[in-house]
Amino acid sequence: KAGVTQTPRYLIKTRGQQVTLSCSPISGHRSVSWYQQTPGQGLQFLFEYFSETQRNKGNFPGRFSGRQFSNSRSEMNVSTLELGDSALYLCASSLSLTNTGELFFGEGSRLTVL
Amino acid sequence: GQQVMQIPQYQHVQEGEDFTTYCNSSTTLSNIQWYKQRPGGHPVFLIQLVKSGEVKKQKRLTFQFGEAKKNSSLHITATQTTDVGTYFCAGGNTGGFKTIFGAGTRLFVKA
Repeated sequence: KAGVTQTPRYLIKTRGQQVTLSCSPISGHRSVSWYQQTPGQGLQFLFEYFSETQRNKGNFPGRFSGRQFSNSRSEMNVSTLELGDSALYLCASSLSLTNTGELFFGEGSRLTVL
Repeated sequence: GQQVMQIPQYQHVQEGEDFTTYCNSSTTLSNIQWYKQRPGGHPVFLIQLVKSGEVKKQKRLTFQFGEAKKNSSLHITATQTTDVGTYFCAGGNTGGFKTIFGAGTRLFVKA
């Protein structure tokens, strides 16, 4: 069974640009959540999607957005990048809504903003 | 909003010593999960606790969930170099559906 796949694994952008990250969950998993990980802040919850609907959103500015497709694949977008957006972005999938079971994480997309 | 505090932030131990990390939530949790992230890796699920006062063991690891379902701990007996990494607790919110992670405890083990 394939795990959670995130692309791209690494990317470098400059301030003001935008970026789209992709996450393919484990087959059969309907819930996808996104987290931002930085050395000083740990894992910060961005948002969660279940059956193409955003079910929860963390305390991030509107520059951070996401969506989920009918095949459960999810994308997140960050517009007008800032230096502080440099981080590892982790996607996690689960069978149902995230507070009820194990989260399976992908390897992450490491974003560097110059 | 809900917060999950985790201490200590870092812990250096000599191989063979014990290690404990603690989590405290500002609200009652529906469950608590624990994850381990090796350096350069991604978080990997260790266990989930659901019942008040629950204690579970995995070899040298002991997990506890408090009676009030607001705190939890992970204890490692006789640490080994393979235990290095960051241990995260993650609380399930009774009022919503998102899982909130603690800041993690990074464990260093000296051989």
